[in-house]
Amino acid sequence: KNEVEQSPQNLTAQEGEFITINCSYSVGISALHWLQQHPGGGIVSLFMLSSGKKKHGRLIATINIQEKHSSLHITASHPRDSAVYICAVRLDYGGSQGNLIFGKGTKLSVKP
Amino acid sequence: NAGVTQTPKFRVLKTGQSMTLLCAQDMNHEYMYWYRQDPGMGLRLIHYSVGEGTTAKGEVPDGYNVSRLKKQNFLLGLESAAPSQTSVYFCASTHGGVQPSEQYFGPGTRLTVT
Repeated sequence: KNEVEQSPQNLTAQEGEFITINCSYSVGISALHWLQQHPGGGIVSLFMLSSGKKKHGRLIATINIQEKHSSLHITASHPRDSAVYICAVRLDYGGSQGNLIFGKGTKLSVKP
Repeated sequence: NAGVTQTPKFRVLKTGQSMTLLCAQDMNHEYMYWYRQDPGMGLRLIHYSVGEGTTAKGEVPDGYNVSRLKKQNFLLGLESAAPSQTSVYFCASTHGGVQPSEQYFGPGTRLTVT
């Protein structure tokens, strides 16, 4: 069983729609990251969360530590939001080397 | 600041050839990582370093070696490339320590082994 599970794997939306991507994890964590990867491109950090909620422009990320679940929301989606969104967690234990454990990603395509 | 850079961006190798991938960061980060990304799988940790002169194995270290002679550089070596090492390789760095911090990724190196 993967330690980090994302859903859906693929998502197609119309421009303007509200989008939600989910991430569940099965281990104790010290932080959860949401990353964005455009086709053929590098990986950019969107959010790092330890609790609660963060907002940046049209993007909102929430985390529920008790339920081991996080969501990434995109409001008023736009074709330029088309990318792979990756959830990754940093394990919570003494001496952690700080590396991330990654989900397989959610491929989002926003149609005009 | 350039952030995290990787050299080269693309490479094609024949089976058995060797090569070194270079990662450089200008943010004075202690921790550096090499990940590989394969279709249908999440990124996986190859090797990592928590400081100059230190390295350690990650989840998938076989067939790779690393060195961190300078704090800003982290090298990934393939001594005898195999087709199973065809992948996209990402380097990342972070401040390190007990408290979580942002990870910064390089642009990736696309490697094909024929």
